[in-house]
Amino acid sequence: GALVYQYPRRTICKSGTSMRMECQAVGFQATSVAWYRQSPQKTFELIALSTVNSAIKYEQNFTQEKFPISHPNLSFSSMTVLNAYLEDRGLYLCGARPNANSDYTFGSGTRLLVI
Amino acid sequence: AQSVTQPDARVTVSEGASLQLRCKYSYSATPYLFWYVQYPRQGLQLLLKYYSGDPVVQGVNSFEAEFSKSNSSFHLQKASVHWSDSAVYFCALSMGNSAGNKLTFGIGTRVLVRP
Repeated sequence: GALVYQYPRRTICKSGTSMRMECQAVGFQATSVAWYRQSPQKTFELIALSTVNSAIKYEQNFTQEKFPISHPNLSFSSMTVLNAYLEDRGLYLCGARPNANSDYTFGSGTRLLVI
Repeated sequence: AQSVTQPDARVTVSEGASLQLRCKYSYSATPYLFWYVQYPRQGLQLLLKYYSGDPVVQGVNSFEAEFSKSNSSFHLQKASVHWSDSAVYFCALSMGNSAGNKLTFGIGTRVLVRP
């Protein structure tokens, strides 16, 4: 079946440092990858949508300078949180799908704690 | 802009009782609607979805939801819950099926099933 793995599951970083998280699709081609953040007591906010061979589209309030994303092939994507601060803590979720007619398959998320 | 409202942050029910989780949406046209479940320490899993046609849709684990255009709602129901249904449930909408369409999530409803 279609699975998405995210790692690390949990991570702690010091304020002002950066943290990279990865997303691996298994059993299907991750043509599109969506990165979401769930801040404490909030819902999932879309950070950016990445489609292979297309430009990565960032949502308002999220920038490439802060959340650079790599999507080099049809099975892997990574995102870095640069200069993480308290407001960046939360659960970062990766969802992937092979095409627009398919549903997203989500990973278990990377929980980021900033101290 | 589209939005999803889940008015109940927490719901507690006894095992064997019925469950209804409310979801209201705001969107000018008919959206694609989804219910996802997040079990502890896991990612999002799709329960069911509505695109068009019969307003009552069946999902996994005996969940069903009913779309109401007049009420802008997509409530989730289950006739008899099991302790394993304890989880957080998210309602979400999408504006369509093109590659650029994102999922907009509600804040989630945490369900606790008492034995």
